[in-house]
Amino acid sequence: QQQVKQSPQSLIVQKGGISIINCAYENTAFDYFPWYQQFPGKGPALLIAIRPDVSEKKEGRFTISFNKSAKQFSLHIMDSQPGDSATYFCAACVRISSGSARQLTFGSGTQLTVLP
Amino acid sequence: DSGVTQTPKHLITATGQRVTLRCSPRSGDLSVYWYQQSLDQGLQFLIQYYNGEERAKGNILERFSAQQFPDLHSELNLSSLELGDSALYFCASTRGTNGYTFGSGTRLTVV
Repeated sequence: QQQVKQSPQSLIVQKGGISIINCAYENTAFDYFPWYQQFPGKGPALLIAIRPDVSEKKEGRFTISFNKSAKQFSLHIMDSQPGDSATYFCAACVRISSGSARQLTFGSGTQLTVLP
Repeated sequence: DSGVTQTPKHLITATGQRVTLRCSPRSGDLSVYWYQQSLDQGLQFLIQYYNGEERAKGNILERFSAQQFPDLHSELNLSSLELGDSALYFCASTRGTNGYTFGSGTRLTVV
């Protein structure tokens, strides 16, 4: 129930195209859904995040779409650029005990390649 | 610079040995999380500490242990190392809000 399923495993997009990565979850206790971007040899960096009371969040070329009833959320990268080539992880966060302890569960990652 | 410092950046050691990875969280962050990232396993949660106390355990092997010290830095101890322990080990910290900040990781190679 703690799993977050992510697809596709890899994605190749032409420059200027739209990249779409999908995630699904089961645990309805998840209450925060971030996306992380990771470049080779670097740690994951928070890209954008959404809470389940919002259906869409946009930051620049990056948009999260959230479907609470379907327990699915997706990342859209508009006007994809070669510099966007990285691994993207969706994640879901849940409170695991009293106080402020929270646990982040990651999807398996999507390797995005944007061709010039 | 994310504010989370991990040392060393690279570590090469032989099978059967023991190593210690160190993490200094971002200033003010009380929670520290350890993750293992290998090519075929993605980001696997190992263990979480909050203000010196263990809060949650993930897929952490019995050969691995961790602790968080009074100054909030954390150490991950890996013993009886096997070839399969070769991976990137990440530390992340948070103040208890939702945003995790990751360090740049320690690349462990067991030969």
